[in-house]
Amino acid sequence: EVVLTQSPGTLSLSPGERATLSCGATQSITSSYLAWYQQKPGQPPRLLISGASRRATGVPDRFSGSGFGTNFTLTISRLEPEDFAVYYCQYRGFGPGTKVDIK
Amino acid sequence: EVQLVESGGGFVQPGRSLRLSCAAAGFTFDDYAMHWVRQAPGKGLEWVSGISWNSDSIAYADSVKGRFTISRDNAQNSLYLEMHSLRVEDTALYYCAKDLRSGWPISAFDVWGQGTTVTVSS
Repeated sequence: EVVLTQSPGTLSLSPGERATLSCGATQSITSSYLAWYQQKPGQPPRLLISGASRRATGVPDRFSGSGFGTNFTLTISRLEPEDFAVYYCQYRGFGPGTKVDIK
Repeated sequence: EVQLVESGGGFVQPGRSLRLSCAAAGFTFDDYAMHWVRQAPGKGLEWVSGISWNSDSIAYADSVKGRFTISRDNAQNSLYLEMHSLRVEDTALYYCAKDLRSGWPISAFDVWGQGTTVTVSS
């Protein structure tokens, strides 16, 4: 069974900064099934990226996904105020999440 | 409008049962696999169970295997989760979610409901 880890647990940044979130898998996985979600308090998760790098409909292009094998990355090029949230990666099950909060 | 609406949550004692429902609208329900995902208070997301478009493929998280049963009624555009032998640790917000694909393996979930709360306590 593949287990996902995410780092860091919390990322404290300022608006306009670049955010780099990591997702690691305990064994090599098919990129086609690696997804990223954003969740804000009181809301269901929102799909950002599927297939490791394909942005979902309506997702701004400041969000990008990359990686293969056991290491994947979600990058937010310039943080907007609405981007402060918790981010989860998923390969079947979910990683523990990375909270991006305001520095 | 594409939407999923969960219902059936509530307060239940340990060992009892509950049945969750999810009503789908705005898309061709029987074209997609469907899933249940839960989130305990203040915790992360946990995939619970999934079912392919034609119910041929079904899977469960180890934490619920043997106690929960997922099913769907394509004629009614509905997804269900029968939960038996409930435990305190099953307390969570339960989301219904639509897969990008019709079958297996699990892809990604592009539509989510608002969730229904299950509280298991004596």
